[in-house]
Order: sequence, then C-alpha cells, then structure tokens
Amino acid sequence: QQQVKQSPQSLIVQKGGIPIINCAYENTAFDYFPWYQQFPGKGPALLIAIRPDVSEKKEGRFTISFNKSAKQFSLHIMDSQPGDSATYFCAATYNNNDMRFGAGTRLTVKP
Amino acid sequence: NAGVTQTPKFRVLKTGQSMTLLCAQDMNHEYMYWYRQDPGMGLRLIHYSVGEGTTAKGEVPDGYNVSRLKKQNFLLGLESAAPSQTSVYFCASRYRGRYEQFFGPGTRLTVL
Repeated sequence: QQQVKQSPQSLIVQKGGIPIINCAYENTAFDYFPWYQQFPGKGPALLIAIRPDVSEKKEGRFTISFNKSAKQFSLHIMDSQPGDSATYFCAATYNNNDMRFGAGTRLTVKP
Repeated sequence: NAGVTQTPKFRVLKTGQSMTLLCAQDMNHEYMYWYRQDPGMGLRLIHYSVGEGTTAKGEVPDGYNVSRLKKQNFLLGLESAAPSQTSVYFCASRYRGRYEQFFGPGTRLTVL
C-alpha cells in the first residue's frame, strides 16, 4: 500500500500552461518532501524539495505548495515548456533512508 | 566525474538464474541505495547502505541481497531470479547530512 498517493497519472497541457500535480501522504513523521523529474531512459533527478515548516517554496518556474493539516503537497510548473515533458515523482521520508515515492505523473507539454 | 554508474544497462535472465548488478559512484558519498521502478508503482527501496560494510533492508527486500565492500561500490544480487523481478533497477547515492539523492541511469532487467 503506497504511503504517498500521487495524481493525476498523466497530464497534457499547452505550452505556457500551469500543470499541477498533487500528492497526499499518511505518515505524519515525514519531514522532507522532494519532487524528482525523470526523462525517458534516465534516472530521476531532484527538482525541488520542501520541509513541513514552510507552506511554499519556489525555484525558478517550479513551486511546491504544502498543506500540513491536510497532509497534501503539490507541484506547480509556471509557463510550462515542451522541454518540461517528463515523468514527475513526489516523495516523502522521515530519515532520508526510507524514501517513499508516489506512482508518478507523465507530463506532456504541447508546443 | 562520472557520478553514479550502473552495470549492465540491460540484461535478460531465465527463471532461476542468478546475477549481480553493480553500482559505482565517484562522489565519495557515504550513503547508497537500490530501488526498483515498476509501471504505476513509482520507485521502491530494496536495500540501502549507510557506509562501507553496512547494509539495511528497505521496503521490498525479499529475493535480493546486497554488499558494500568498498565505499564507492554497492552490489545488488539476485540468487534465483523470478519473473516478478522484471523491472528497472536504479542505484542512488548521497552525502551524509545532505538530503539530495543522485541516481544512476538504471538497469533494465527482464526475467523470462
């Protein structure tokens, strides 16, 4: 049973759109919430991460929104580009050794 | 720096055969991890190591063994492969005290 539930499974947006990917978790001991980006045939790479003591974090066009009371967090991609087309995974951990990943969202940004 | 490398890139096994996957990192990272990635399941942790000579079980350890004889290498073994072990296997590593994990390119394993 997955401890981190991610939605949607796939997402298609037009260039310039703002795709939003949502994740929910159960374990309140989690204290680190990263997002990984994976291109076909490659390993995942860290995109952005947040700790539960802040509600939002921005890095360039990528923003994480975090709602501790609802046990939810989401990734927003501003001004999306075709080069952002990839699979995105949310994750959560409390000791950084037992990382629990969501099932992934395949994002397609159409030109 | 090569970062995290994995050998082999692809492998096909028959049920019951054994094999070892090699992960190597040249970043002097203390921590290393083995994950498997299956469609619709995300990545799941198999085993990890917090230092040379130490290993620990992750979320899905059954059917796998690991060894970390050298700091830069982390081996994943399948003693008797089963079709359920068909997957893409990723190795990752990180510094102690830092949260970012660096992933290798993956090994695609098919068990017939």
